[in-house]
Amino acid sequence: DTGVSQNPRHKITKRGQNVTFRCDPISEHNRLYWYRQTLGQGPEFLTYFQNEAQLEKSRLLSDRFSAERPKGSFSTLEIQRTEQGDSAMYLCASSPRVNYGYTFGSGTRLTVV
Amino acid sequence: QQPVQSPQAVILREGEDAVINCSSSKALYSVHWYRQKHGEAPVFLMILLKGGEQKGHEKISASFNEKKQQSSLYLTASQLSYSGTYFCGTANRGSNYKLTFGKGTLLTVNP
Repeated sequence: DTGVSQNPRHKITKRGQNVTFRCDPISEHNRLYWYRQTLGQGPEFLTYFQNEAQLEKSRLLSDRFSAERPKGSFSTLEIQRTEQGDSAMYLCASSPRVNYGYTFGSGTRLTVV
Repeated sequence: QQPVQSPQAVILREGEDAVINCSSSKALYSVHWYRQKHGEAPVFLMILLKGGEQKGHEKISASFNEKKQQSSLYLTASQLSYSGTYFCGTANRGSNYKLTFGKGTLLTVNP
């Protein structure tokens, strides 16, 4: 068990560019979550996968955000046409079933300049 | 809807006790507690599922009052390593698979 891995750790991008983040969950975990966290705030829910199916996407999320989890393994989160307001820490978490604690990755810190 | 945590911040001396509260306006299915140290990922502490259930280790425990839609985290005889931001995450009936987190409580334990 190597934990939840996220890459890259840091990403600086110019406004308007597209970015993609990757999350490798714990291999036995079929549930995968993306959260966004800004300074002084708790993690904010973005989207949820059970195996390869995306079962919920936050209504706060614009159409510029998309996530995939092909074959129910790793997941990617893409942000198109980035804006300064997208600057945040993007956290991925996984769990093996409902009513079980999440294991979070170390996150990808995005800075849009 | 985001749960409300109180207090926002607390400063302790090593060995003192603290209570962190979490309340929701919606019926809760479960409550999770996490601790996050600066620059690190949140770390799972415990989950509570039943009304009035109390769980935890000897010095960190929690209770869940399902009727009042509240949970409390108890830290006794605090240690320096307890410092960090504590988040409660709540799962509502009907969407028990996802957590909504509070804004956090910053706990500082000084020598």
